[in-house]
Amino acid sequence: DSGVTQTPKHLITATGQRVTLRCSPRSGDLSVYWYQQSLDQGLQFLIQYYNGEERAKGNILERFSAQQFPDLHSELNLSSLELGDSALYFCASSVGLAGPEQYFGPGTRLTVT
Amino acid sequence: AQSVSQHNHHVILSEAASLELGCNYSYGGTVNLFWYVQYPGQHLQLLLKYFSGDPLVKGIKGFEAEFIKSKFSFNLRKPSVQWSDTAEYFCAVNALGGSARQLTFGSGTQLTVLP
Repeated sequence: DSGVTQTPKHLITATGQRVTLRCSPRSGDLSVYWYQQSLDQGLQFLIQYYNGEERAKGNILERFSAQQFPDLHSELNLSSLELGDSALYFCASSVGLAGPEQYFGPGTRLTVT
Repeated sequence: AQSVSQHNHHVILSEAASLELGCNYSYGGTVNLFWYVQYPGQHLQLLLKYFSGDPLVKGIKGFEAEFIKSKFSFNLRKPSVQWSDTAEYFCAVNALGGSARQLTFGSGTQLTVLP
């Protein structure tokens, strides 16, 4: 157990819908990262927040957004969902702005039908 | 931008065989290097990491990796694999400096250990 929690574990929804994924970092960690794992794209970085502020952006679609709240938990919002958004979404956390080590949560498996 | 290549997509070994998984990265500056393991249906777990110092690093479960700067490589090794090592292994790079904060992952190597 890494100490990073994610909810829900599984999510099944229809195309065009909007969902919110939630992540709580390890105690004491200020950085939260979101990654998407799919069969065709592998593990890709989406976005990073540090102490409430967006600090780095990767291959995140405009339909996706995230935020980090004062209690440091983070939410990833996915809207206008498409079949290709079906993937495992991982959250990771680290102590500092640049890691160095990231600890991953169990992931949320999103299935878009 | 940095990139990571893992040469073997699927490796099949018998128990007690030795393992070496290749990882090469492309980035001209200083890097932190990681190997993560993902057991079936589970999340990514950190196996080992290299930040600086001794280029031979030891991790959990008997794994080790060697950083060879001149070859931009960070290969993962284990002298004798067990059936329980069956999992997917990911090499990752965190480039230091600039604005890059994220881990860049390789495409992963699926290891199957036959009993």
